[in-house]
Amino acid sequence: GAGVSQSPSNKVTEKGKDVELRCDPISGHTALYWYRQSLGQGLEFLIYFQGNSAPDKSGLPSDRFSAERTGGSVSTLTIQRTQQEDSAVYLCASSLVRFGNQPQHFGDGTRLSIL
Amino acid sequence: AQTVTQSQPEMSVQEAETVTLSCTYDTSESNYYLFWYKQPPSRQMILVIRQEAYKQQNATENRFSVNFQKAAKSFSLKISDSQLGDTAMYFCALIHGSGNTGKLIFGQGTTLQVKP
Repeated sequence: GAGVSQSPSNKVTEKGKDVELRCDPISGHTALYWYRQSLGQGLEFLIYFQGNSAPDKSGLPSDRFSAERTGGSVSTLTIQRTQQEDSAVYLCASSLVRFGNQPQHFGDGTRLSIL
Repeated sequence: AQTVTQSQPEMSVQEAETVTLSCTYDTSESNYYLFWYKQPPSRQMILVIRQEAYKQQNATENRFSVNFQKAAKSFSLKISDSQLGDTAMYFCALIHGSGNTGKLIFGQGTTLQVKP
């Protein structure tokens, strides 16, 4: 079946602009995760959603970052007033449920470049 | 705090040879899972192998196997009969099995080059 789909694949924008990154998880997966992969910081957890529960936002680096998940499926990660340090690959993953024995399946990521 | 450490930034191996990638971790939890993910240049993270901490038997998946040493908090990945398609960055990751968290904690990664 279809895997995790992310769009756009690449995004170049000017500093100060807002960007939206989209993630479409595997059908039937109730848990959805966002990670950031950057040269200096490696892979960092940002946020995760599990069904209708309140999301775990503990990894969001600043209040410029927000995410929502509509209808328990598609998720959008929004970065407001982008800064150059936001340049990174943003990876989305999904799993059947959030428990550790359920592996997370990743999308191809969105490479974000801030000029 | 939970940490995952991969001490080998880069490794290389000849095609058909065997290579072992190292990973150590630290956690105070008793219920956790360990993973190795592969990330080729295409960027997609692909699950290679998974190990439940409560299982003593080392996980195997075709040419991939792990050496899980729970007391030493070590979780190395062995790739047998290396193939050119194994060239990628490999990440070791930890997740807790209980509690209200679903986040994977990743190591810094090891870049593996398989040479013809």
